[in-house]
Amino acid sequence: GQQVMQIPQYQHVQEGEDFTTYCNSSTTLSNIQWYKQRPGGHPVFLIQLVKSGEVKKQKRLTFQFGEAKKNSSLHITATQTTDVGTYFCAGRGAQKLVFGQGTRLTINP
Amino acid sequence: SAVISQKPSRDICQRGTSLTIQCQVDSQVTMMFWYRQQPGQSLTLIATANQGSEATYESGFVIDKFPISRPNLTFSTLTVSNMSPEDSSIYLCSATSGSDTQYFGPGTRLTVL
Repeated sequence: GQQVMQIPQYQHVQEGEDFTTYCNSSTTLSNIQWYKQRPGGHPVFLIQLVKSGEVKKQKRLTFQFGEAKKNSSLHITATQTTDVGTYFCAGRGAQKLVFGQGTRLTINP
Repeated sequence: SAVISQKPSRDICQRGTSLTIQCQVDSQVTMMFWYRQQPGQSLTLIATANQGSEATYESGFVIDKFPISRPNLTFSTLTVSNMSPEDSSIYLCSATSGSDTQYFGPGTRLTVL
């Protein structure tokens, strides 16, 4: 069945450093979504990518969708303490939306 | 966007009992889903709640254990039946409204003793 792998599982950075999480699907996706879950909170939608090679930016966050529509990345420039949380990708395959394992970001102020 | 509320927010239950979790959306939505999330883990889809008909369950989840209702477009319930400690988890309701974006409720933290 469809699998979505996300790495790294954990990432600890100093405030101001950059952060990147990667997502890879076993199958071609129709879209990929990114969610953020703060500690003790619930997942909150960040963005959806649909087109091959698509790049979207939200302030310090840059999202990419691979040319083959099987991988994606989220890059945060100059992290801030408010970026703390777990970032999940979710890939829409032929049948359903599958969430990656998430990358837990912690930041040393 | 849709605003989703869940009740209860948390509960501690004895093994062998059942708990019904309620999910209310503030607007009519297309799809409603129930997820389970173990602490520090990813989200696992339990089922899609279908209005007026039986829910569609994912592999590994069955109706006898997790009966689901969706009597209208804005409300759904999930029951965790005959609970065991392995059922301790966070249960999340989500909904979509015309697009593929999922809006999640705050979750119900269940502890089974």
